[in-house]
Amino acid sequence: QITLKESGPTLVKPTQTLTLTCTFSGFSLSANGESVGWIRQPPRRALEWLALIYWNDDKRYNSSLQNRLTIIKDTSKNQVVFMMANMDPVDTATYYCAHQTRLEPRAFDFWGQGTVVTVSS
Amino acid sequence: DIQLTQSPPSLSASVGDRVTITCRASQTIGNYLNWYQQKPGKAPSLLIYAASSLQNGVPSRFSGSGSGTDFTLTISSLQPEDFATYSCQQSYSTPRTFGQGTRVEIK
Repeated sequence: QITLKESGPTLVKPTQTLTLTCTFSGFSLSANGESVGWIRQPPRRALEWLALIYWNDDKRYNSSLQNRLTIIKDTSKNQVVFMMANMDPVDTATYYCAHQTRLEPRAFDFWGQGTVVTVSS
Repeated sequence: DIQLTQSPPSLSASVGDRVTITCRASQTIGNYLNWYQQKPGKAPSLLIYAASSLQNGVPSRFSGSGSGTDFTLTISSLQPEDFATYSCQQSYSTPRTFGQGTRVEIK
């Protein structure tokens, strides 16, 4: 069974860099085809996809946010780290990590519980 | 980026009703369309993948159809536990994108 869990600060100040960690089990991110994504949801708003990292270290980012985003993997720890620079109050949201299916067409089949991040001075 | 437009944004329905939600893509995406259910305070859960394939454990009253640019999620007989927000998502290309969501409320 695949599980994922997000961890990180609940409160960050404007201009700071947010760093979140997704710790997972039930699969290996070094296995062919595996990938993990980050998705966020501001209060009472729609889901917004942020980033993906694949087993071969291929990385993909949200077009409008890519200059602020970094995603890296640590396969030895079964972790994916997500960073967003220059945080603003509009970045206040619940941040989720999710496992993407190995086969096409892909989908996010397992999700973490989410972590609430508030941006405020 | 591929835009996904869901309709309606919200709907009110009664237990036992047939409910249909649509998702339109800004360009053809084959069958690379997924549907998620989200209840308040919870993470989304996958309902339908590849436009019409039911995820393991999802009740058969849920079904998906469509290909190309137009897709539909149908709940054949709405149950009390189905009151939630439903979102479509495309996996045809990156950046991945989600629809704006459809909130299904109790009439």
